[in-house]
Amino acid sequence: ELKVEQNPLFLSMQEGKNYTIYCNYSTTSDRLYWYRQDPGKSLESLFVLLSNGAVKQEGRLMASLDTKARLSTLHITAAVHDLSATYFCAVDALDSNYQLIWGAGTKLIIKP
Amino acid sequence: DVKVTQSSRYLVKRTGEKVFLECVQDMDHENMFWYRQDPGLGLRLIYFSYDVKMKEKGDIPEGYSVSREKKERFSLILESASTNQTSMYLCASSFDVGVGEQYFGPGTRLTVT
Repeated sequence: ELKVEQNPLFLSMQEGKNYTIYCNYSTTSDRLYWYRQDPGKSLESLFVLLSNGAVKQEGRLMASLDTKARLSTLHITAAVHDLSATYFCAVDALDSNYQLIWGAGTKLIIKP
Repeated sequence: DVKVTQSSRYLVKRTGEKVFLECVQDMDHENMFWYRQDPGLGLRLIYFSYDVKMKEKGDIPEGYSVSREKKERFSLILESASTNQTSMYLCASSFDVGVGEQYFGPGTRLTVT
């Protein structure tokens, strides 16, 4: 069974701190996506990681992909309140028949 | 920029009504998807389409049907709405031959009473 596991599922942290969200997946893939969702809103694409060792950065967020370990990380540096949202990872599995396999999402709350 | 639009942001329907949710994308994408999102259950794929008039069942197709008569438009139909179909419905599209990055519409929050 194709699985994508995110952890933690919920994270409450103070502004200024660093933290990492992990996304493990169970199948062969070299394409992984990170999305952000604000409450009551739709999903917005954050990062597209297309090969082993890929690293992308945007502001205080940095995403990386290790296809050998089947692991992606989303690192938050010096968190600010505006980054409060739910973050999803999704894997483009080679045998998934056009589907992305989604993680359950990590709800991130950053307290001022 | 890719734009995916959905016909309604909020919709309230009665049990037993036939409900149409429309999704339109303007980037000539091959693939279109319908998801529902419920608290604690994440995103669940209802149906997807990889070409005009082609459709494939996702994880939870029961109680739903879809239509794709034109490349840019993908409709989700609830034949006889039930209260357990109250949810947020998200449409997405992607260009890639395989799957690729998906672009989402704003969502339709459907309430069935």
